[in-house]
Amino acid sequence: DAKTTQPNSMESNEEEPVHLPCNHSTISGTDYIHWYRQLPSQGPEYVIHGLTSNVNNRMASLAIAEDRKSSTLILHRATLRDAAVYYCIQDSSNTGKLIFGQGTTLQVKP
Amino acid sequence: GAGVSQTPSNKVTEKGKYVELRCDPISGHTALYWYRQSLGQGPEFLIYFQGTGAADDSGLPNDRFFAVRPEGSVSTLKIQRTERGDSAVYLCASSLLQGDGYTFGSGTRLTVV
Repeated sequence: DAKTTQPNSMESNEEEPVHLPCNHSTISGTDYIHWYRQLPSQGPEYVIHGLTSNVNNRMASLAIAEDRKSSTLILHRATLRDAAVYYCIQDSSNTGKLIFGQGTTLQVKP
Repeated sequence: GAGVSQTPSNKVTEKGKYVELRCDPISGHTALYWYRQSLGQGPEFLIYFQGTGAADDSGLPNDRFFAVRPEGSVSTLKIQRTERGDSAVYLCASSLLQGDGYTFGSGTRLTVV
């Protein structure tokens, strides 16, 4: 199964940018990179996904390395509400299942 | 509805009993997924439906677990002869297209005592 590697935890100050890294060295050409985040007692929330090009939406930006073996989720201005567990996932769209790792627990300090 | 709805939100059952967990996906979403999340772990894939059929059930842990989606919308996850190890949060997600962004429900917290 496709597995990603993320740091266990990161800290950020409020209103500063946050860069959350992810390694996905076994990614294949058709695998999308997805990011989800999860608050306590809630289901995962979709953040962003991409295939090759960098992606932007209202929540975040996704920077994908040229060789696609790594990516970075960028939160441009962290808020206290951004404190969550962030999961980076390879979506093997041929199989239709997301393989979640342990994720990165992001703490945001006021 | 506006989001993925899962009922009940909490379920406590005795070891050996049968339980059913319901998922109501976003209207029009053809793909539906079930995941299980144990405390402190990421969600673990169980089964995926495309329409009415189970396209991939490789994550179901054993034959006590079964899921159906008879009309291509609502899905039910069924667990027979529950064991204490089945205690977890069961999450459902849906998407319009396979490989698109997925919308998760808040989950059903199952406790087997």
